[in-house]
Amino acid sequence: AQTVTQSQPEMSVQEAETVTLSCTYDTSESDYYLFWYKQPPSRQMILVIRQEAYKQQNATENRFSVNFQKAAKSFSLKISDSQLGDAAMYFCAYGASNTGKLIFGQGTTLQVKP
Amino acid sequence: GAVVSQHPSRVICKSGTSVKIECRSLDFQATTMFWYRQFPKQSLMLMATSNEGSKATYEQGVEKDKFLINHASLTLSTLTVTSAHPEDSSFYICSAEGERGGWDNEQFFGPGTRLTVL
Repeated sequence: AQTVTQSQPEMSVQEAETVTLSCTYDTSESDYYLFWYKQPPSRQMILVIRQEAYKQQNATENRFSVNFQKAAKSFSLKISDSQLGDAAMYFCAYGASNTGKLIFGQGTTLQVKP
Repeated sequence: GAVVSQHPSRVICKSGTSVKIECRSLDFQATTMFWYRQFPKQSLMLMATSNEGSKATYEQGVEKDKFLINHASLTLSTLTVTSAHPEDSSFYICSAEGERGGWDNEQFFGPGTRLTVL
């Protein structure tokens, strides 16, 4: 069975600084997707970034980028130039290609200090 | 963009009653919908996968007779919590997956429904 682990329950960053959220996963599949979702206080899930396992190039979306290490089964999220609006709970998720199911990590609460 | 709605956004009911939660894809056809449950400050736990016109597939440990799922059309899935008890109080989130081009397997999430059972 696939598992996703986020070992940082809480993180904090100063506004305009950079922060990295960690995620590791376990799977025996070769074809899958990895995601980072943001859940603000409204609890609406927002897709931040996505990575296809077959792609070696790390995904980037504006201030958000990932460090995907397939052999190590690691998928960290880097947020550059942190903004107050980035404060939220962040979930790492594994997506099974054949079923579309998402398995979420425990979440990391990010606090952004002004 | 792809919008998924849920109704109601919050519901309070008495113990023993049944509650129905609707999940709709507003601007696309959802071949598959997923139902999640989230306790405060915890992760999303997948409850079941529903495909239009077929029976839902439940995750291990989820009581199918307690949580009835119906996916009657390509835009609507419903979750009915039968004979609700206080331990069923939680935040329920649906997501919909459809063929919209772009990224495969992208799921679009509803805003969630907060259920409180007294």
